[in-house]
Amino acid sequence: NAGVTQTPKFRILKIGQSMTLQCTQDMNHNYMYWYRQDPGMGLKLIYYSVGAGITDKGEVPNGYNVSRSTTEDFPLRLELAAPSQTSVYFCASSLDVQETQYFGPGTRLLVL
Amino acid sequence: AQSVSQHNHHVILSEAASLELGCNYSYGGTVNLFWYVQYPGQHLQLLLKYFSGDPLVKGIKGFEAEFIKSKFSFNLRKPSVQWSDTAEYFCAVNAKGSQGNLIFGKGTKLSVKP
Repeated sequence: NAGVTQTPKFRILKIGQSMTLQCTQDMNHNYMYWYRQDPGMGLKLIYYSVGAGITDKGEVPNGYNVSRSTTEDFPLRLELAAPSQTSVYFCASSLDVQETQYFGPGTRLLVL
Repeated sequence: AQSVSQHNHHVILSEAASLELGCNYSYGGTVNLFWYVQYPGQHLQLLLKYFSGDPLVKGIKGFEAEFIKSKFSFNLRKPSVQWSDTAEYFCAVNAKGSQGNLIFGKGTKLSVKP
């Protein structure tokens, strides 16, 4: 039982490039979330999903897209990378809406 | 809108000192409350949580927190810290009835001197 896994661990992008951050959970959780963590700012919600095929925006969705074709996977897509997207990205999942969220190890992204 | 305030940005303690980290939230309804810890280079781990019942909750590694509804507070405590408690601590809230998205405080970095 690996929990929540994320790839890659670290990536450097040039401005305007695109990439997908992968997130997979093996706990059969319905709810999945993407957060970004900026220094001194805590975590902010980007997008979340309540189940396969259903996604919705969080607090800071601009510049990102998500999809949820399976229960296990919740990729985050950056289409045109900008320096403001330099951050650490965490994926999380929970069994139900009010249950504990379990976090992945994070992806550190640097946009230059 | 909901918000979470953590009063201390950086706390420095010597081993065996007592710890209390403040957390206040702004939301008028019923909430679930969490403390997460992030050790250096690691991901967030749940320390403890409060959903209902006894307002004094005990978590892992000797940590506890007390929910005081009248003060909108959920302070984290440990009677005697260890060097291994050096980490960043995040208080988080979600409103009952919401889609479960957590609102995080900005975090408190704890440094414990050996």
